[in-house]
Amino acid sequence: GAGVSQTPSNKVTEKGKYVELRCDPISGHTALYWYRQSLGQGPEFLIYFQGTGAADDSGLPNDRFFAVRPEGSVSTLKIQRTERGDSAVYLCASSLSGRVNTGELFFGEGSRLTVL
Amino acid sequence: KNQVEQSPQSLIILEGKNCTLQCNYTVSPFSNLRWYKQDTGRGPVSLTIMTFSENTKSNGRYTATLDADTKQSSLHITASQLSDSASYICVVSAPTMFSGGYNKLIFGAGTRLAVHP
Repeated sequence: GAGVSQTPSNKVTEKGKYVELRCDPISGHTALYWYRQSLGQGPEFLIYFQGTGAADDSGLPNDRFFAVRPEGSVSTLKIQRTERGDSAVYLCASSLSGRVNTGELFFGEGSRLTVL
Repeated sequence: KNQVEQSPQSLIILEGKNCTLQCNYTVSPFSNLRWYKQDTGRGPVSLTIMTFSENTKSNGRYTATLDADTKQSSLHITASQLSDSASYICVVSAPTMFSGGYNKLIFGAGTRLAVHP
């Protein structure tokens, strides 16, 4: 696609429910990142994929959060037993390669998650 | 303590005026420093990327400076327009040992700029 696509754009759920957020990166981009952004804050790193593998998942806050990228393209961020504190905008970004020093990072519009 | 600190937190200026946003960082070593513009409800969009050897880089009315010795950067906006109203985020890229050395981005909290007519 022309840009990074994220769905849904908005998701409202109840505490304790399971949520999946999808990211479709720019075609050919091997590096994919998930970030979480709370109101008035900068994006906070969650996980980085190089191809199909999670090369760095050190930003995932706890074991309720999990992400996959089975074919090295589309990625899904999964949140189990959602809590109100999970409410945030979840941003996905992709780049040609995470190893290129000045590699341009392209962001999606984000998925706004609200946990009631 | 945040590794990337931005000031001011918010700023209001009149259309046509210039402004300068500040970024101090403690990330070390670092690969490059980036400035992003984020419109409300949108994803960040890159404005400039500077390596440690670059002192300044321009993108239209946006000029970024970098002093790697003092670990400071600034973003200067010239002749502001209403469309410049957004959050401006300073991002430092740091090399890691993961996956053969990918660059991890560390974001500041941003400066929220409002340009009034």
